[in-house]
Amino acid sequence: DAGVIQSPRHEVTEMGQEVTLRCKPISGHDYLFWYRQTMMRGLELLIYFNNNVPIDDSGMPEDRFSAKMPNASFSTLKIQPSEPRDSAVYFCASSSRETQYFGPGTRLLVL
Amino acid sequence: QKEVEQDPGPLSVPEGAIVSLNCTYSNSAFQYFMWYRQYSRKGPELLMYTYSSGNKEDGRFTAQVDKSSKYISLFIRDSQPSDSATYLCAMSGPGSSGSARQLTFGSGTQLTVLP
Repeated sequence: DAGVIQSPRHEVTEMGQEVTLRCKPISGHDYLFWYRQTMMRGLELLIYFNNNVPIDDSGMPEDRFSAKMPNASFSTLKIQPSEPRDSAVYFCASSSRETQYFGPGTRLLVL
Repeated sequence: QKEVEQDPGPLSVPEGAIVSLNCTYSNSAFQYFMWYRQYSRKGPELLMYTYSSGNKEDGRFTAQVDKSSKYISLFIRDSQPSDSATYLCAMSGPGSSGSARQLTFGSGTQLTVLP
């Protein structure tokens, strides 16, 4: 199994631009999670899906952030417009039971 | 007070030492306990998983859960330079579906094993 796949691995953009992060979960997993990690705040859960349906998006910082899961093998996290304070590492994780498996992350820098 | 407390370190030990990493928590409903290892510029990797109280051993790693004290530990025997990483505790529950799937993470302990 290839594990959780994320793209791009690195993204540098300018303030105000739209950013789209992509995730392919492990096949057969029914839960998908999006996290953000910074030195100051650690790992923060942004949103999670069960069987492609968003269950809890209370961690999404503001309306500039949106996430979709059109099918069981693909999810996107979009930031529009991006701001410098969005700079962080964004992780996608998937699970079929209690344990979660993380992707390698997308390192985002907003200038 | 955070729901899960973890000493951020940094912790530096010589090669071959026994390492003890710990977390305390406040939610008595937690029943699934995990340890993740995160190397620099990588994603967290599941290291150990324990259900409820007790010990679990896997090679040089031992996970302990004491639900009565709301305290979990990870022991690393014969530590190696390759063990240098950040270790995050995580927990969830009750139940095994819905919101129980959400993990509550500690802030992570940065460990360096010196050769």
